[in-house]
Amino acid sequence: DVVMTQFPLSLPVTLGQPASISCRSSQSLVHSDGNTYLNWFQQRPGQSPRRLIYKVSNRDSGVPDRFSGSGSGTDFTLKISRVEAADVGVYYCMQGTHWSYTFGQGTKLEIK
Amino acid sequence: EVQLVESGGGLVQPGGSLRLSCVASGFTFSTYWMSWVRQAPGKGLEWVANINHDGGEKYFVDSVKGRFTISRDNAKNSLYLQMSSLRAEDTAVYYCARDRYMVRGHVTSDSTFDIWGQGTVVTVSS
Repeated sequence: DVVMTQFPLSLPVTLGQPASISCRSSQSLVHSDGNTYLNWFQQRPGQSPRRLIYKVSNRDSGVPDRFSGSGSGTDFTLKISRVEAADVGVYYCMQGTHWSYTFGQGTKLEIK
Repeated sequence: EVQLVESGGGLVQPGGSLRLSCVASGFTFSTYWMSWVRQAPGKGLEWVANINHDGGEKYFVDSVKGRFTISRDNAKNSLYLQMSSLRAEDTAVYYCARDRYMVRGHVTSDSTFDIWGQGTVVTVSS
């Protein structure tokens, strides 16, 4: 299975400041169809996960443009331009290129 | 409104069985693959199983192969997870999630895990 490694695992951020989460895969996530199936999810405390970003950099409907995704191959990044209180939670990367789907360990974002 | 609603969780003894259900609404269920994803207490997300749009293809994470089965009833917009020989390590919140979809005969992964249910809690304990 493809191993997804996130860092940092804990991310204290001051309100209004930027935040960045990295995700590295154990093998390339470029699919034979040319797409890279790397998604990002947010899980607020006590809630179900919510998809934020699909195929590396595409924001889901309703996701603020403060969130952006980038990367290629095996290295990917989720950036939040200005952290708000509503952003507190755990963020997961996930690959859908190779069977079986695998998630990163999660990065816990908290307000400093 | 696009929605997934799970049910069927509960407390079961080790070695026991449980059947989870997920009812979909607000989208054409029969054109989507569907998945089950679980989250053990205080832990991360783990994909468990998925099924293609017509039930002809099914895939499982290694840790549940031979113990869990996945099925669907497109007439009822419903997804199921039959769990048997349950172990303490199967204790988790189980989510159903929308997966890939069929468009003009081709599978596209743009929709993978774009919609999640609220989850149902499974506790395996004596």
